[in-house]
Formats: sequence, C-alpha cells, structure tokens
Amino acid sequence: GAVVSQHPSRVICKSGTSVKIECRSLDFQATTMFWYRQFPKKSLMLMATSNEGSKATYEQGVEKDKFLINHASLTLSTLTVTSAHPEDSSFYICSARATPGQAMGETQYFGPGTRLLVL
Amino acid sequence: GNSVTQMEGPVTLSEEAFLTINCTYTATGYPSLFWYVQYPGEGLQLLLKATKADDKGSNKGFEATYRKETTSFHLEKGSVQVSDSAVYFCALRRMNSGYSTLTFGKGTMLLVSP
Repeated sequence: GAVVSQHPSRVICKSGTSVKIECRSLDFQATTMFWYRQFPKKSLMLMATSNEGSKATYEQGVEKDKFLINHASLTLSTLTVTSAHPEDSSFYICSARATPGQAMGETQYFGPGTRLLVL
Repeated sequence: GNSVTQMEGPVTLSEEAFLTINCTYTATGYPSLFWYVQYPGEGLQLLLKATKADDKGSNKGFEATYRKETTSFHLEKGSVQVSDSAVYFCALRRMNSGYSTLTFGKGTMLLVSP
C-alpha cells in the first residue's frame, strides 16, 4: 500500500529556534501534499495545501511566514516552523495525494505525525 | 460552510459489543464521505469511504452508509475487538478552487475492554 513517512517523529527545541519537518511519499508520486495540526482531543486542522512546484495555499488564520512550506519534488514536502514558541507545540501530520492517473486515485495517505515540543 | 459533527467520546465497550459512532455533516453539493482510524501513536488510516448517496462503505467489519436525507454517515460494527481501540474520524471531501480537501470531525475515541 501507499506509504507516507515523516521525519522526525518527535522533536524538542528551544523557543526562538526553527524546526523543519519532512514528509515523503515512499512508493508513489504526490502532486499534492497537505499539512495538518492536531490538538489534544481536537480534530485535525488543515494548515495548508502544497502542490509540487508552486506556492502553498494556506488556510485562513495560518501565518505563512511562520509555517514555511516547500514542495520541491513529487515525493517530498517540508514544513518549517520558524521562530518556534511554546504555543506551537503540537502534533503535525502530513498527507499526500497521488498524482492523477495513478492507481490509488484521490485518496489521501497520512504520515505518522511529528510531535513538536517547544520549551 | 462545510462541517462534520461526531458524537463525543470516549465510547467504552466490552469485546463483542455492537458499535455505533454517529456522524453528521453539513456541505454544499455532494461531498464524498470517509472514516479514518488513528491507532495510538500512529497517523490516520483510511478505514472506508462512500462517494454518493446510498453507497455503503465497508472494511474490517466496519460499515457506514451515506444517507443524504439525514446528512449522516454513521459508523457501525457488529462485534468489536480490543484491537479496534483507536480514535475514529469522520470526514468529508470538498472541492476548493479546483482541488479537493478533507474536513474532519473532532474524532471519537473508542475503548474496548476484554
């Protein structure tokens, strides 16, 4: 089946530093990748949608300059949390949707998530 | 706008009990509907889906029927197992400026005891 990986699985950083999270589709090409944030006992909130080779589309209320997204290839998207603060601590999950025409269709495949703790 | 409402959890059941997790939605047009499952420490996995009214999605003993008249997509399983303990998310897929995105409910935790 389709596999999406995230790295790192958890990260602890000091306030003011930047953290980069990688999302990779391992066995399929993903034109579109999504970044979600999950709060305890709350749903996943879509932060942004990235399409390979173009700028990400951010959801309302998500700061573009704080959450930098790069989708430079069909198998890799990165989320960089810049100048992280304790309120950015959360569980970040990515998902990938296959390039049209592949067998998996429009299904989104989710990564295992990255736990970020900002001290 | 589009939204998904799920019953509050946790839902606590004994093994072999019948499970229902309610899900209702609000959407324009005809969205596709999904159930995702998140096991402890893992990402979300697609459990089942339905793309049009009266479709029934099924997988691993779980079922859900797309009911347009009641805007519902309730998840059911006849006999739960301890291994079904997880958080279940109902979601709808909508089109947004030419591409589709998922809107999730808040999730319902299921705890199954032996």
